[in-house]
Amino acid sequence: GAVVSQHPSRVICKSGTSVKIECRSLDFQATTMFWYRQFPKQSLMLMATSNEGSKATYEQGVEKDKFLINHASLTLSTLTVTSAHPEDSSFYICSARLTMISFYGYTFGSGTRLTVV
Amino acid sequence: QQQVKQSPQSLIVQKGGISIINCAYENTAFDYFPWYQQFPGKGPALLIAIRPDVSEKKEGRFTISFNKSAKQFSLHIMDSQPGDSATYFCAASIGGGGSNYKLTFGKGTLLTVNP
Repeated sequence: GAVVSQHPSRVICKSGTSVKIECRSLDFQATTMFWYRQFPKQSLMLMATSNEGSKATYEQGVEKDKFLINHASLTLSTLTVTSAHPEDSSFYICSARLTMISFYGYTFGSGTRLTVV
Repeated sequence: QQQVKQSPQSLIVQKGGISIINCAYENTAFDYFPWYQQFPGKGPALLIAIRPDVSEKKEGRFTISFNKSAKQFSLHIMDSQPGDSATYFCAASIGGGGSNYKLTFGKGTLLTVNP
């Protein structure tokens, strides 16, 4: 249980175009979702936290207008990389917080490899 | 400020050996300490997690040891196998609402288990 489905797994786009990455919680309602960026051989860097129906909270240094996050429903959150450039090439991962009675945890999507050419 | 310090950065172990990865934290409000395993090109997968009310948790070949007074926790992989070769991340978070409930990750340990 508690699966987050992330699509696409890989995407190549031309510089200047926009790319949308989707994360769906398959068997639970994800009130809070997190979006991470990971460079090769590095740890996960939190980009933003989104709560269903609210504006996302971005970490310091993350461009809000470039990385648009939408969390319009309890089962879907999207990250749109607008006007992508080669420096946006990276591995993007979503995560959902699971909250149950007397317990909480986190589950991750399988990641999206974005290559901007 | 890095709130979770992980070591070593890389580790090479022979098949059948014990792999040990250590993490230290600073924020005493952390109350959830998971370990994640990540294979290349994949998202992190929860391996095992512990809460500060216990000192040890074991699941199969994987054990977390937790030392609250020292603010340290470690992952032990017994009988390490080549299939365990991956990057391991420790993390910590604070329960409840607000921005504090995001995960804080260590920098990761690349484990290589030689056959």
